Amino acid sequence: DAKTTQPTSMDCAEGRAANLPCNHSTISGNEYVYWYRQIHSQGPQYIIHGLKNNETNEMASLIITEDRKSSTLILPHATLRDTAVYYCIVRVPHGSSNTGKLIFGQGTTLQVKP
Amino acid sequence: KAGVTQTPRYLIKTRGQQVTLSCSPISGHRSVSWYQQTPGQGLQFLFEYFSETQRNKGNFPGRFSGRQFSNSRSEMNVSTLELGDSALYLCASSLEGTGANQPQHFGDGTRLSIL
Repeated sequence: DAKTTQPTSMDCAEGRAANLPCNHSTISGNEYVYWYRQIHSQGPQYIIHGLKNNETNEMASLIITEDRKSSTLILPHATLRDTAVYYCIVRVPHGSSNTGKLIFGQGTTLQVKP
Repeated sequence: KAGVTQTPRYLIKTRGQQVTLSCSPISGHRSVSWYQQTPGQGLQFLFEYFSETQRNKGNFPGRFSGRQFSNSRSEMNVSTLELGDSALYLCASSLEGTGANQPQHFGDGTRLSIL
């Protein structure tokens, strides 16, 4: 079973920031938070991941609460092309017997509107 | 750098047949994982290979099998196809051995339809 809880769907106006929440209250101290997105008919696309600290890359920012029980993915200026299903995944660390396994939940369908 | 390549992109088979799907990982990546995606069950992990060895396996029947070659390319095979095997089959590769947590990168999948 997925170890994360996400809203089923969200809307965002084009040009505004999209803030996608994720709850992972049972996360262990050495488990990472990963975000992927999937645009229709394509494979999941890696966005960002983090352990404790906030992370930023060219696509998005990841804010992890201090207790690590929840996180937020931020797309700073959403465009129509950001419309997709966004998956938040808790992943065991490298070297664990389950390293190669991602457990996907149902994700959040983000609809960016003009 | 080329991404994960899966062939073929589309495949139509009939019940009882078998099928082999191919995955070429990103150059330098040694871990390859396979997933099945259906509307009802979502994305589910099938198995993972690393250095030609199956390292992890999901909860699928023995009809689903795979292998990895010395160049890290991987194949998965499904025998005695059933209607319920109609799905998008996704392959993902990752860089291992660095000691850091590395993301998996996905191909665009093979869409398998069973008639």
